[in-house]
Amino acid sequence: AQSVTQLDSQVPVFEEAPVELRCNYSSSVSVYLFWYVQYPNQGLQLLLKYLSGSTLVKGINGFEAEFNKSQTSFHLRKPSVHISDTAEYFCAVSHHGDNNNDMRFGAGTRLTVKP
Amino acid sequence: NAGVTQTPKFQVLKTGQSMTLQCAQDMNHNSMYWYRQDPGMGLRLIYYSASEGTTDKGEVPNGYNVSRLNKREFSLRLESAAPSQTSVYFCASSVLAGGTTDTQYFGPGTRLTVL
Repeated sequence: AQSVTQLDSQVPVFEEAPVELRCNYSSSVSVYLFWYVQYPNQGLQLLLKYLSGSTLVKGINGFEAEFNKSQTSFHLRKPSVHISDTAEYFCAVSHHGDNNNDMRFGAGTRLTVKP
Repeated sequence: NAGVTQTPKFQVLKTGQSMTLQCAQDMNHNSMYWYRQDPGMGLRLIYYSASEGTTDKGEVPNGYNVSRLNKREFSLRLESAAPSQTSVYFCASSVLAGGTTDTQYFGPGTRLTVL
């Protein structure tokens, strides 16, 4: 089965600084990749996803991620963060060809943006 | 549209008690999911339903049962609660009947404590 590793459990950063949240996956077949965000006391919502095509994917709120097949990574980046970006971010992976809705999530990275 | 709704928001049970978590979506989605979220472990899939009338086990199904009552509703039942089931439970839905490319839409969660 596929698995996801988020390399940092917590990332503190100052407002207007750039940020990168790291995600690596393992899978023996081609994958689809997702980033979800969870604001305090809320459910998850999709930031962006990679299905095919361009390896640079742009999402909501100024976030983007790059799929790197050789490094099996899908890191999330934002050039300048805001206080409102404080949240938990989850990387997720699913398999090409699966018809079983099985998506695997990473453990999450808590991003804290300080003034 | 309310999106995905879950009841209750909070629940405290004693070991051995039973309860049902309710989930409903008003987006006419075909697939529905139940996840549990534990600190440091991200989200893990308990059960999913790719369409009305079908359910399948996910990564951590033991101790749970589900019912896809109709297209809108997907309930999760704990027959005999255990402290290990203390967690935050999320329901989600997605448009497609099966498949792994779909965006999932999450409810606000149910925080369950088993004493």
